[in-house]
Amino acid sequence: GQQLNQSPQSMFIQEGEDVSMNCTSSSIFNTWLWYKQDPGEGPVLLIALYKAGELTSNGRLTAQFGITRKDSFLNISASIPSDVGIYFCAGPSPGTYKYIFGTGTRLKVLA
Amino acid sequence: EAGVAQSPRYKIIEKRQSVAFWCNPISGHATLYWYQQILGQGPKLLIQFQNNGVVDDSQLPKDRFSAERLKGVDSTLKIQPAKLEDSAVYLCASSFNQVSNEQFFGPGTRLTVL
Repeated sequence: GQQLNQSPQSMFIQEGEDVSMNCTSSSIFNTWLWYKQDPGEGPVLLIALYKAGELTSNGRLTAQFGITRKDSFLNISASIPSDVGIYFCAGPSPGTYKYIFGTGTRLKVLA
Repeated sequence: EAGVAQSPRYKIIEKRQSVAFWCNPISGHATLYWYQQILGQGPKLLIQFQNNGVVDDSQLPKDRFSAERLKGVDSTLKIQPAKLEDSAVYLCASSFNQVSNEQFFGPGTRLTVL
C-alpha cells in the first residue's frame, strides 16, 4: 500500500545546530503535513502545506512542499532540548480523506 | 478548550481476552479517527467516522476489531479476541470535518498483550 518514507530514521545533534529531514512518496500528494510526537503523547500538527513549492514557517521550523509533489522537507533552526521527539510527515492519500503517516524521524538533542 | 480524551491510558491483557478503548473527541468535531501505532512506526488509520457513519475502515481487521460512534460523539474501539501482534498504542483523533487537515490527537491507550 501507500507508504511515506522518512529520512534520516534518527539523528543526534548538538543544541544550537540546524536540522533537516525529508519525506518521500512514490505517488503525488496534494497536501503535506508535519507532526511532532512527544513520548507518551499523541502527535501535534506543526505545519501544513498545500501547494507545490510552498515554503511555510512556524517559529524555528520551516517546511517545504517539493516541486515534484512527491516529497517534503522540514528544517529546524538552532535546535533546543525541547525539540526532542519524533517528527512525522503525513497527508491524505490522493483522492481520499484517508491519512497516511510516514515512518518518522527521531530527533535527539545533546545539550 | 478540552482536548481529545482517551481511557484507559494503559491496559495489559492476555491473548484471546477482550479489551475496549474509549474516546471523547473535541466538542463540535464531526470527524473521528482511530489509529494503531506499533512501536517504532507511524500511526496507521484503522477507522474514520464522519458523525456516526463510517467513512473508511479498510485497514480495520474486522474479524477481531470493531468500533462504533453511536451518537456521533464518543467512540469505542473493541478487540475480541486479542492477539500478541495487537500490542500497540491506540490513538484517537478528531477534526472539525473531513476536509480539515488539522487532526487533534488524544494521548493514546498503550495496550500490551501477553
